[in-house]
Amino acid sequence: GAVVSQHPSRVICKSGTSVKIECRSLDFQATTMFWYRQFPKQSLMLMATSNEGSKATYEQGVEKDKFLINHASLTLSTLTVTSAHPEDSSFYICSAKSGTGSHYGYTFGSGTRLTVV
Amino acid sequence: AQTVTQSQPEMSVQEAETVTLSCTYDTSESDYYLFWYKQPPSRQMILVIRQEAYKQQNATENRFSVNFQKAAKSFSLKISDSQLGDAAMYFCAYRSRSGTASKLTFGTGTRLQVTL
Repeated sequence: GAVVSQHPSRVICKSGTSVKIECRSLDFQATTMFWYRQFPKQSLMLMATSNEGSKATYEQGVEKDKFLINHASLTLSTLTVTSAHPEDSSFYICSAKSGTGSHYGYTFGSGTRLTVV
Repeated sequence: AQTVTQSQPEMSVQEAETVTLSCTYDTSESDYYLFWYKQPPSRQMILVIRQEAYKQQNATENRFSVNFQKAAKSFSLKISDSQLGDAAMYFCAYRSRSGTASKLTFGTGTRLQVTL
């Protein structure tokens, strides 16, 4: 089945630095990727939707200059947290659209735990 | 905008017993998909079951089945013969059928404990 590889699984960075999270679709072409943020014991909050070759569409309240999303190829999307601060510490999950037609599904990456110190 | 509500923050079930997780949603659309996802301690999101709104028949996947009540906008998940490995967060989710890549709207989740 469809697999999405997300790296790194855990990252610790210093406040003020940037960190990049990668999501790769291993055996399918992901024309659309979704990036979520999940706080402890809470649901997934959609941050942005990215389509290959286009600018990402951000949800209301998400700072596009802080959370840079690049989807330059059909198999790779990246989320860069710029000038990270402790409040950016969270669990980030990507999800790729898999399949075609109206019966498409979503394949999730395994998530990245970001800790900003 | 669509909303998904899960009113049970936590549920507990004994091994081998049956448990039902509740989910209600609100939408003005007539055609859509509903999902139940499982998130174990590993945090990997796993699709449990999917229901297409235009299908009257309730979806089943082995020990997992749903009770889809379209008029009531209710979509509950029944887990039969519960196993220790079923312990996880369960999220109900909605997706519109329109568009080429509609986003998922998640509920707040239900934490399921399975006891011996």
